[in-house]
Amino acid sequence: DQQVKQNSPSLSVQEGRISILNCDYTNSMFDYFLWYKKYPAEGPTFLISISSIKDKNEDGRFTVFLNKSAKHLSLHIVPSQPGDSAVYFCAASVSNSGYALNFGKGTSLLVTP
Amino acid sequence: DSGVTQTPKHLITATGQRVTLRCSPRSGDLSVYWYQQSLDQGLQFLIQYYNGEERAKGNILERFSAQQFPDLHSELNLSSLELGDSALYFCASSVVGGSGNTIYFGEGSWLTVV
Repeated sequence: DQQVKQNSPSLSVQEGRISILNCDYTNSMFDYFLWYKKYPAEGPTFLISISSIKDKNEDGRFTVFLNKSAKHLSLHIVPSQPGDSAVYFCAASVSNSGYALNFGKGTSLLVTP
Repeated sequence: DSGVTQTPKHLITATGQRVTLRCSPRSGDLSVYWYQQSLDQGLQFLIQYYNGEERAKGNILERFSAQQFPDLHSELNLSSLELGDSALYFCASSVVGGSGNTIYFGEGSWLTVV
């Protein structure tokens, strides 16, 4: 049972524009959310996280928004750069539960020049 | 470089065989996780160890087992291998066990079963 869903397998955006990657979750107990970025032949690397006590967290060009009532989060990348082309995984967990992160299937982002 | 080291990076083996994948966590991290990424699948959580003890279990097959040693490195043992076991196996580590923590991934071990 997939508790974290990324319904868009791929996304193509022009350089300089905004990339918006979406993620939905079903478990209302999740209270910590992360985004990971993965290049081919490399392991996923941590990008940004957000706790459920916040609805927005920003780090440079990356902003994550959390809508708890909709069980939805999104990652905004502004402006998008060709080096951002990668697979982005959304992950969620229940703090201090002992459970590992639940990952979505990923969205492949292509930023074109 | 995340600081998590996995060996081997690539492995080709025949059906029915057994392999062992090895992981050294980041310095100071007590918790180790194993994930499997198959084609068209996300990162499937297999198992987690914290300071030598099993902490959580995910979709790990009975043919698979893992352990974490006193020096905190971990091994994932895959036996009676089937073609469908071909996948990228990731190890990750974090400072503490439990959720609410960022985990850091190694570069993965690519297993091909022929």
